[in-house]
Amino acid sequence: DVKVTQSSRYLVKRTGEKVFLECVQDMDHENMFWYRQDPGLGLRLIYFSYDVKMKEKGDIPEGYSVSREKKERFSLILESASTNQTSMYLCASSPYGGGASGTEAFFGQGTRLTVV
Amino acid sequence: AQKITQTQPGMFVQEKEAVTLDCTYDTSDPSYGLFWYKQPSSGEMIFLIYQGSYDQQNATEGRYSLNFQKARKSANLVISASQLGDSAMYFCAMREGPAGNNRKLIWGLGTSLAVNP
Repeated sequence: DVKVTQSSRYLVKRTGEKVFLECVQDMDHENMFWYRQDPGLGLRLIYFSYDVKMKEKGDIPEGYSVSREKKERFSLILESASTNQTSMYLCASSPYGGGASGTEAFFGQGTRLTVV
Repeated sequence: AQKITQTQPGMFVQEKEAVTLDCTYDTSDPSYGLFWYKQPSSGEMIFLIYQGSYDQQNATEGRYSLNFQKARKSANLVISASQLGDSAMYFCAMREGPAGNNRKLIWGLGTSLAVNP
């Protein structure tokens, strides 16, 4: 069974803290994505990576950075957490070329981050 | 302008009945793909069905089918014989351009479906 695993389901952090959200996939996928999901705003792409050490900005990269040192792991970093980064964060992966359907993505279970 | 529009914030359906969730899209690219995902309360996004812009037939996957009307730019999801486990948020998404690497999806805001026993 395919698996995308996010390190935490729930996380509470203080304003100004450096926060790491980890995502690991066991499908040997080239592409990995980080989204945030907010009520009324849907899913918004933060960053994605199509190869090790490669990254591209999504629609809302401000306040975030990413790291992909190994193919299976894609980390999202909040350099200095702020309350407006309280959200649900979803990681996804897809194979090279996007899979049979073009961009079929497999998602993790999500991390609900609260910044206080 | 919204590229993916889901006009129904919430829907109710009786168990064992069919339900249609609406999705309209906007693109000038002749090659694109349309996706539906389900997100139960547990949070994980689950891929349901895909329709390519050049596919001649409407996509079907078990109880899910996609009513693809290209001229109207609509890609409605039909769930037949609803089950209680179908209660979830449903998202429509689009890939603009042909399938390939480095492609991202454009998402709708979702429709919340509740299946009544």
